[in-house]
Amino acid sequence: DAKTTQPPSMDCAEGRAANLPCNHSTISGNEYVYWYRQIHSQGPQYIIHGLKNNETNEMASLIITEDRKSSTLILPHATLRDTAVYYCIVWSVGKLIFGQGTELSVKP
Amino acid sequence: NAGVTQTPKFRVLKTGQSMTLLCAQDMNHEYMYWYRQDPGMGLRLIHYSVGEGTTAKGEVPDGYNVSRLKKQNFLLGLESAAPSQTSVYFCASSYPPHEQFFGPGTRLTVL
Repeated sequence: DAKTTQPPSMDCAEGRAANLPCNHSTISGNEYVYWYRQIHSQGPQYIIHGLKNNETNEMASLIITEDRKSSTLILPHATLRDTAVYYCIVWSVGKLIFGQGTELSVKP
Repeated sequence: NAGVTQTPKFRVLKTGQSMTLLCAQDMNHEYMYWYRQDPGMGLRLIHYSVGEGTTAKGEVPDGYNVSRLKKQNFLLGLESAAPSQTSVYFCASSYPPHEQFFGPGTRLTVL
């Protein structure tokens, strides 16, 4: 299973874009990149996923490099409610393998 | 739709006791999963199921058993609870490769 590496913590000013990086250098060609977040002790919440192309939905954008070895999650206008732990996950054979994630703190 | 529900929400056990956690989903999802989360850690996959009557081991399966007799239910059993199994347990379901939907969690303490 491909492993992901994320910075343990990041800060972002409210209203600014939050750019969360993730390295997944051992990713295979048929493995998806997923992003989830976990607020306090709630169950994780799906954000977005992609295979090769960049993706955008109402919550965020996902930029995947051409060699697929890294990706960036972009929250375009971060709010205080976006403070959470963000997990970058490589989906393989129906399983999500969570890493430590990035603790994002959005500050006023 | 209730989504994914977990029963119970909280439980305290003594070492050596047994219990079963119930996960139910009403989204007709094929895949179901059990995770545990220890303080300050990410989620770790215990067992998962790719369909009714099937189960498979995840990262940390020791000390747990599971059953998927009905498509909508996924049971996690602890036969002889140990303090190391004190954790928050999350259940999830999905229709891959789409998103997983998570339940609210069960907080288990083993004394």
